[in-house]
Amino acid sequence: QKEVEQNSGPLSVPEGAIASLNCTYSDRGSQSFFWYRQYSGKSPELIMSIYSNGDKEDGRFTAQLNKASQYVSLLIRDSQPSDSATYLCAVKADKLIFGTGTRLQVFP
Amino acid sequence: AAGVIQSPRHLIKEKRETATLKCYPIPRHDTVYWYQQGPGQDPQFLISFYEKMQSDKGSIPDRFSAQQFSDYHSELNMSSLELGDSALYFCASSAGRSSNQPQHFGDGTRLSIL
Repeated sequence: QKEVEQNSGPLSVPEGAIASLNCTYSDRGSQSFFWYRQYSGKSPELIMSIYSNGDKEDGRFTAQLNKASQYVSLLIRDSQPSDSATYLCAVKADKLIFGTGTRLQVFP
Repeated sequence: AAGVIQSPRHLIKEKRETATLKCYPIPRHDTVYWYQQGPGQDPQFLISFYEKMQSDKGSIPDRFSAQQFSDYHSELNMSSLELGDSALYFCASSAGRSSNQPQHFGDGTRLSIL
């Protein structure tokens, strides 16, 4: 079992809808949680970080963290075709561990 | 804003050759990380440096070595290259090594082994 699990997708949503991306992790000592967006052949781009339980909003993005359930999620409101990418969940205890990513497809 | 700079962007080598990848972190970032990402895979942590000292080691093969210099740039040296080393190699940097410091990635070096 991987330390950070994500559904590989693809997750297909229509333009304007809410995309919900989920991630679970195994190390209870994890302290920091990040979401990266990666376009094909490009580098991961940090879009959200969250460190405490609850919700954190930044523009169209909301990250949610539940440490008791070892669960992190990313909501993308008003999804746009330009949001189509792979979203990597990354969890840090001593090292930054990535999930395998969820491919999001937003269709017009 | 200045980002992480990696060079070269693309590199083609043959088996058993050597390669050196370079990484220039964001100004005032003192921690550098190296990752390897194969096709369709997530980035795999190789090694990291904090204040010019190795701070952590991941799945870096013995054929690879790395160091961080006094100006905080880092180099990944790869020897006896194998076909399986073909991948994207990313460098990331952060301001300090504490867990709440996010890592910012460079554009990567695409290494192809023939």
